[in-house]
Amino acid sequence: DGGITQSPKYLFRKEGQNVTLSCEQNLNHDAMYWYRQDPGQGLRLIYYSQIVNDFQKGDIAEGYSVSREKKESFPLTVTSAQKNPTAFYLCASSIRSEGIQYFGAGTRLSVL
Amino acid sequence: GQQLNQSPQSMFIQEGEDVSMNCTSSSIFNTWLWYKQDPGEGPVLLIALYKAGELTSNGRLTAQFGITRKDSFLNISASIPSDVGIYFCAGRRGGATNKLIFGTGTLLAVQP
Repeated sequence: DGGITQSPKYLFRKEGQNVTLSCEQNLNHDAMYWYRQDPGQGLRLIYYSQIVNDFQKGDIAEGYSVSREKKESFPLTVTSAQKNPTAFYLCASSIRSEGIQYFGAGTRLSVL
Repeated sequence: GQQLNQSPQSMFIQEGEDVSMNCTSSSIFNTWLWYKQDPGEGPVLLIALYKAGELTSNGRLTAQFGITRKDSFLNISASIPSDVGIYFCAGRRGGATNKLIFGTGTLLAVQP
């Protein structure tokens, strides 16, 4: 089945710890995105990548880092510099020439 | 970052009622998208709109791309309990990136 897989579904972070959220897609999409969703709010863009080995900051990139070494994969690292990391994180992908983004099932990150 | 104005914020209705929600922006968009998000899941695309004035249906759902290109509307007819969720609009300006700007969401609750 084609789709976007995010893992893990739930993740807990200790203070001062970096954690990495996985996002894999087998849709052959060029572009991939990471969003943060807080309760009662819309989606805010963290980082996006339009091609392999290239990515740009979104609206709330501070405290996060990404890499895009393979077309299929776009992992997000939540660093210790992110002081309020508790949120629902969503990964999406799209064909470069098209606006429609397709989403994974999300990862819920909490702080211990 | 910018978010679109989406209203209403929430709706509590009886099964069988019709529902209307809308999204407005101060900027012009080339594409309007409507997504539905179930609790703890990623958003799923409902309808995509590409031309000003376009009216598109998907079963009981109908969406319109506003003539001014600064707004969009979603109607749900004869609501059923499984319509429960959060509905998001998203707009794309076009150009070199496929970045979407999301609305703040409309929470829909349907009482059987």
